Amino acid sequence: QVQLVQSGSELKKPGASVKVSCKASGYTFTRYAMNWVRQAPGQGLEWMGWINTHTGNPTYAQGFTGRFVFSLDTSVSTAYLQISSLKADDTAVYYCARDTVITPGDLWGQGSLVTVSS
Amino acid sequence: DIVMTQSPDSLAVSLGERATINCKSSQSVLYSSNNKNYLAWYQQKPGQPPKLLIYWASTRESGVPDRFTGSGSGTDFTLSISSLQAEDVAVYYCQQYYTTPYTFGQGTNLEIK
Repeated sequence: QVQLVQSGSELKKPGASVKVSCKASGYTFTRYAMNWVRQAPGQGLEWMGWINTHTGNPTYAQGFTGRFVFSLDTSVSTAYLQISSLKADDTAVYYCARDTVITPGDLWGQGSLVTVSS
Repeated sequence: DIVMTQSPDSLAVSLGERATINCKSSQSVLYSSNNKNYLAWYQQKPGQPPKLLIYWASTRESGVPDRFTGSGSGTDFTLSISSLQAEDVAVYYCQQYYTTPYTFGQGTNLEIK
């Protein structure tokens, strides 16, 4: 079955770090890029950037540089999003989405809720 | 960055009636070498990830009911739902993927009148 399965919800304190995983199955992981999308509570979708799953080269949207890192472990077909120095306004659902070039999001993970609160 | 602006922000339509959502980009998303518009439409229901409906502005994703139609070119696009069903209640987003950052519209909340 072709799917992306993300890690579960996280509750973190301000200043901490979090690593969200996105495990692909049912297709060749390195064939398609992976996008990351943020959705703050009650808000719209915000494209964070993408990672080339063949080379590992990431591209970040403005506003997602510095504290945000995309990475891969191709041996387990998994993409990661790490956020450091968490702030309250990082509270959001984070989605991974497969990019086939024809379309930037034909397959989505279920989302990972990250809550930042003291 | 390409700015995507949807209208209206919210829409209420009677069951069986047509719903129309507009999306305007601040610059053309038509790629001249292949004559494709790099514009996608998504449907998002509460508590769920977005679901791809339309890509290349007018190509329906496999399994999407044919009551969903995408149209337009260049900078002006439309998503039409020909006969609204109860299960179509959702927020709809357009997204350009012509150039990074792949920006989304702000979303249109579709409800039943």
